[in-house]
Amino acid sequence: QKEVEQDPGPLSVPEGAIVSLNCTYSNSAFQYFMWYRQYSRKGPELLMYTYSSGNKEDGRFTAQVDKSSKYISLFIRDSQPSDSATYLCAMSVQTGANNLFFGTGTRLTVIP
Amino acid sequence: GAGVSQSPSNKVTEKGKDVELRCDPISGHTALYWYRQSLGQGLEFLIYFQGNSAPDKSGLPSDRFSAERTGGSVSTLTIQRTQQEDSAVYLCASSLALHTEAFFGQGTRLTVV
Repeated sequence: QKEVEQDPGPLSVPEGAIVSLNCTYSNSAFQYFMWYRQYSRKGPELLMYTYSSGNKEDGRFTAQVDKSSKYISLFIRDSQPSDSATYLCAMSVQTGANNLFFGTGTRLTVIP
Repeated sequence: GAGVSQSPSNKVTEKGKDVELRCDPISGHTALYWYRQSLGQGLEFLIYFQGNSAPDKSGLPSDRFSAERTGGSVSTLTIQRTQQEDSAVYLCASSLALHTEAFFGQGTRLTVV
């Protein structure tokens, strides 16, 4: 069993839709949770960072962590064509990019 | 814009050849990381450098893989006797310090034929 599971998609939605992206994990010790966005032929860029359980909102993006269910989500409201990318979840027990466990990524396309 | 720079962008090599991949981190960043991104796989941690400390090599998949960081700046990832399963995108990232945000380069796409 992988440490982090993520549906690879692909996911296609019309512009303006609400997008829900999810990851599940097996290690209950994970306490740092991140979402990265990766455009084609580019490196990942950090989108959202959450510590422990709860919600975090940044503009059109909301990250949710449910540690009891070992489940994290990223919601994108009013999706735009510029949101078309691969979204990677990542998590760790300790801080530091050398400790991250990544999901395989979900490819999202927002259709104008 | 001084982001993380990787070269080459693409590399095609024959099975059994050695390859060197280069990473120029953001100026002033003391931590540098190498990851591998294979098709259908998540990012896989390979190696990590922090200042003058001994590197964390715990993610290197075999002894064919090695990396060095000269003068605390540029890093080179070397893969000896390449195999087809080494085909992947190799990503480099750097951060100001260990526990701060890491910034990724665009990656080197390696194809072993």
